[in-house]
Formats: sequence, C-alpha cells, structure tokens
Amino acid sequence: RKEVEQDPGPFNVPEGATVAFNCTYSNSASQSFFWYRQDCRKEPKLLMSVYSSGNEDGRFTAQLNRASQYISLLIRDSKLSDSATYLCVVNINNNDMRFGAGTRLTVKP
Amino acid sequence: ETGVTQTPRHLVMGMTNKKSLKCEQHLGHNAMYWYKQSAKKPLELMFVYSLEERVENNSVPSRFSPECPNSSHLFLHLHTLQPEDSALYLCASSQGKGALADTQYFGPGTRLTVL
Repeated sequence: RKEVEQDPGPFNVPEGATVAFNCTYSNSASQSFFWYRQDCRKEPKLLMSVYSSGNEDGRFTAQLNRASQYISLLIRDSKLSDSATYLCVVNINNNDMRFGAGTRLTVKP
Repeated sequence: ETGVTQTPRHLVMGMTNKKSLKCEQHLGHNAMYWYKQSAKKPLELMFVYSLEERVENNSVPSRFSPECPNSSHLFLHLHTLQPEDSALYLCASSQGKGALADTQYFGPGTRLTVL
C-alpha cells in the first residue's frame, strides 16, 4: 500500500462547480496533514494545513478522519485559477513529509 | 516570491559530468530539504538537514552528495548520473524547530536532464 494515496484524476469541472478530492494515508502515527497546490512546471505551495477535525479557508474546506486515515479537500465555486495539481501531504515525524502523487484539476469556462 | 532560490533552473549533463545544484533560503529557517520529482510520481524526499546536520538520507545513491555549509545554503553535488536521474530537483526549507505542523517552502526547482 502506498504511504499516501490520491485519485490522480484528472478532474475536469465547469466554473462554479464544487469538487472534492480524497486522500488516504497508511501510517497511523502521522500527526499533521497538509494540502499543497502545484501549478504546471512550478513548485508546490502550501494551500492549507489540516488540523484535528478539519478547517475552512474561504472556498476551501479540508477534513480529516483519523479513524479511517482519510483526508479530503472540498473546493466550492471553482474558478479557472483553481486549475492545478493538488498534493496531499502527511508529516510522518518532525522532518519527514510524505507526498501523494497529486490530483489534477482543470476548471473550464 | 524569492524566499527559496535555486540555481541553475535547467541543467543538461552527460553521465560522466560533475555538476552541483545550489539552493539558498532567505527565510531564517533551520531545516532544508532536497526532493526529487519524476513525472507522474510523488515527490521523493532525498535529504534533510536540520541546523546544518544531516538527519535524513532516504537510501539515495552515492552519486548524489549533499552539502550544507550553513543554515541558508544547501548544495547537491552530482557525479556519474544515469538517465533515470532526470527529474525536477526541488529544495525546500522550514523552521525546523520540531513543530509537527512545520510548513515547507519550496524553491522553483532545477530541471535536470541526463544524457
């Protein structure tokens, strides 16, 4: 089983749609979780951290289910600028971050 | 945004060449990282330095040799690479003070092609 597993997509959605990405992780001792965004040929950038039972930042909502070892990202009212690859990241210990392969999203007019 | 810079941005080298990748962070961080990103694969952590000491080495072949002369600079020395080493090499830094929610900030990467 992969350490961090994501649906690779691609997800092709119209502007204004709501889209959800899922991520599962295998290490039950993982303590912190993140969603990063990576644009084509660019470096990953932190989108949001995921704490406890989850958190919201504008149109983005992240949820964590420790029992199921599952993280999700919900994007509401999609914009063209949301088109990117979304990386699920799990912190195994203080310096060891494990990345999923990413889910690609394309938002179309 | 110039918090973490990397040079060169692109590098083409032969299998017998020796080259070095450079990373510099201007964020006052204590930890620096090298990652490899191959097409359609997750980022792979290669090396971690915390307070200039190497704390992680994920079974990386010896043809990759890291160097961290101070907390702001990180190098990756390359020699006798193989074509399968062609990838995007990303440097990152973080506060590295033991906080579990330690955000990593990435440089733009060096796209390496080995012929």
